[in-house]
Amino acid sequence: RKEVEQDPGPFNVPEGATVAFNCTYSNSASQSFFWYRQDCRKEPKLLMSVYSSGNEDGRFTAQLNRASQYISLLIRDSKLSDSATYLCVVTRQAAGNKLTFGGGTRVLVKP
Amino acid sequence: GAGVSQSPRYKVAKRGQDVALRCDPISGHVSLFWYQQALGQGPEFLTYFQNEAQLDKSGLPSDRFFAERPEGSVSTLKIQRTQQEDSAVYLCASSSGDRTSYNEQFFGPGTRLTVL
Repeated sequence: RKEVEQDPGPFNVPEGATVAFNCTYSNSASQSFFWYRQDCRKEPKLLMSVYSSGNEDGRFTAQLNRASQYISLLIRDSKLSDSATYLCVVTRQAAGNKLTFGGGTRVLVKP
Repeated sequence: GAGVSQSPRYKVAKRGQDVALRCDPISGHVSLFWYQQALGQGPEFLTYFQNEAQLDKSGLPSDRFFAERPEGSVSTLKIQRTQQEDSAVYLCASSSGDRTSYNEQFFGPGTRLTVL
C-alpha cells in the first residue's frame, strides 16, 4: 500500500462548478501537508500548504483531518486554467523533509 | 531570478548505456533533492544532499544509480547500464533550508529519459 493515496480521476468539471477531492496518508507521524499542481509535461509547483485549522487561498480551500488521516482540496468557480494534476504531498521532519507524493488526481475543466 | 535548471531536457539511451543528468539548483540553496516520476505516477524520492553531503540515498532503486554534488552546488545523477524500467522523468528540486526545517522545494523542468 502506498503511503499517500489519491483517486486518479479524471474529474470532469463544468466551468464554474465546484470540485473537491481527497487524499489519504498512512503514516501518522506525517507532519506537513501540501497540495502541488502539475501541468502536463511540466514540473510540480506548490499550490498551497495545508494547516490543521483549514486554509483558503482565493478559490482554493484545503482541509486536514489528522484523526482520519486525510487531506482535501476544494476548487470553487472552476476555470479552464485549473485543468491539471493535483498532487497530495506529505513530509516528516524525521525523514529529512523529503516530499512523499500521492499519484495525483487529474482534473479537467470543460466549457 | 533564475530557477532550477536541468540538462539535458530529453535523453534517449540504448539499453546498457550509461547516462548522466545534471541539475543546477537555485544559487545559495543548501538542500538538493532528486525524484523519479514514472508515467502516470507521482514523483518518488531518490536522494538528498545537504551542501556536498549526501545524507539520504534510501530511494535509489539499485546500485546502478549514483548521485554526487562535489562542491555543494551542481549535482549529477548517473545511471549505469540503463534498463527499460529506468525510463521516467528525473526531477531535481532545491530548497534554502536544511533537513531540520521545511522550506519550499522548487523543482526544475526535469529530464525525460527514454531507454530503448
